[in-house]
Amino acid sequence: EPEVTQTPSHQVTQMGQEVILRCVPISNHLYFYWYRQILGQKVEFLVSFYNNEISEKSEIFDDQFSVERPDGSNFTLKIRSTKLEDSAMYFCASIPTGGFQETQYFGPGTRLLVL
Amino acid sequence: QKEVEQNSGPLSVPEGAIASLNCTYSDRGSQSFFWYRQYSGKSPELIMFIYSNGDKEDGRFTAQLNKASQYVSLLIRDSQPSDSATYLCAVNSGGYQKVTFGTGTKLQVIP
Repeated sequence: EPEVTQTPSHQVTQMGQEVILRCVPISNHLYFYWYRQILGQKVEFLVSFYNNEISEKSEIFDDQFSVERPDGSNFTLKIRSTKLEDSAMYFCASIPTGGFQETQYFGPGTRLLVL
Repeated sequence: QKEVEQNSGPLSVPEGAIASLNCTYSDRGSQSFFWYRQYSGKSPELIMFIYSNGDKEDGRFTAQLNKASQYVSLLIRDSQPSDSATYLCAVNSGGYQKVTFGTGTKLQVIP
């Protein structure tokens, strides 16, 4: 069964450094998402991406964040200058065509720790 | 602000009992409702989805939706220790199908 994959599984970085989190959505899916979950808190929507552009973003997704689909398979989340509060699990998800009945399947996540 | 509310628990049930998990949501325009299971340090895993009012059964799991009351529930019959996890209620509301999650209910099934 196809699945969403994410790399790396763990990332440790120093405050102020740039990080890039990578995702490979399920092939032939058209809508892509990033969510994050701070330890002990709920899963929060960050951004959705369709047709090579951001379709919606939350207030969390400020100028420090960017997303890109650099080729036909990868979907990346870049944090330009990491802060301590960016420490969280980051999940990528995708759905086929954007129908309301479609289920979002999540990747295994990247645990980001900012020191 | 579109909210999804869940009792954080923990909800403790003995093995073999029925576990009942509840969720309310604020956006009347919500169309799709999901239950995910999340083990500690892992990603959310889909258990059930429901779109129409009423009950939907899948094995030991039954999802119930009441749009008039803005209420979703999940029943787990014959609960097993392996069901011990945090159960996330999630609601699809609005365009581009982003999902809003509740804080989750931690379920403990006691052997």
